[in-house]
Amino acid sequence: EVQLVESGGTLVQPGGSLTLSCVASGFNFNGHGMHWVRQAPGKGLEWIAYLSRSSSPIHYADSVKGRFTISRDNANNLVFLRMSGLRVEDTGVYFCLRWFWFPGESTGPFDHWGQGTLVTVSS
Amino acid sequence: EIVMTQSPATLSVSPGDRATLSCRASQSVGTNLAWYQQRPGQAPRLLIYGASTRATGIPARFSGSGFGTEFTLTVSSLQSEDFAVYYCQQYNDWPPWTFGPGTKVEIK
Repeated sequence: EVQLVESGGTLVQPGGSLTLSCVASGFNFNGHGMHWVRQAPGKGLEWIAYLSRSSSPIHYADSVKGRFTISRDNANNLVFLRMSGLRVEDTGVYFCLRWFWFPGESTGPFDHWGQGTLVTVSS
Repeated sequence: EIVMTQSPATLSVSPGDRATLSCRASQSVGTNLAWYQQRPGQAPRLLIYGASTRATGIPARFSGSGFGTEFTLTVSSLQSEDFAVYYCQQYNDWPPWTFGPGTKVEIK
C-alpha cells in the first residue's frame, strides 16, 4: 500500500523558518517525481513545488520561489520542504504528493496524497 | 499559466440524484485533466485522470468526459459519502500545475 506521511507542521512567527518532511512507503520511491501542494484554511489547492526522481529539474510556484526549497533523500524515502521567510499567507495544510504517469507518457496526475501537516504563521 | 475555472461554485443535490460539474481550461489541455474529491477534514483523492479514466477503486457512478478546454464530471446517483468538494486539475502544461477553485456538492 502506498503511504505518504507528512510531519513538521507547527506554529511559527512571521519571518521564521520551518522544514517539513514526508516519508514514503509501499512503492519504488526512486521512480517517482514528488510534489508539495498546500491549502489555506477554507480555500482551494495550490501547487507549490516539484522535484524529479533525480532531484533535477526542480520547479516552484512564484509565490514561494526564493523562499522555499524542496529536496529528497532517496536512500530513506524522504521528501523535504524547507521554508524560510514565512508569511501569514503561507498558513495552511501542506500535502506531499506522488506524481504518476504510465510508461511512454510524459505527464500524469497526482495519484497519492499524504494526510497533510498544518503550518500556522502568526505572531 | 493555464487558468482553471469550475462551475457552479456550489451544487445542491438530493441523495440519489445526478450531479454534473463543469471545468474549463484557459487553453487546451487535451485529455490531461484530473478530478479530485476532498471530503471534510481529509486529503484530496484522485477520482478521474485522462479526463475520463476512473482511478483504482473509484465507483462506476463517477464518470468524466471532455477534451481540450471543456470537461465534465458526472455522479450518476449521489450517495451520502459523495457530498464533498471536487477539484479539477490540468497536468498538460507545467509548471505550474494548476487546479480549479472547486465545486462544493452539498445536500439539498
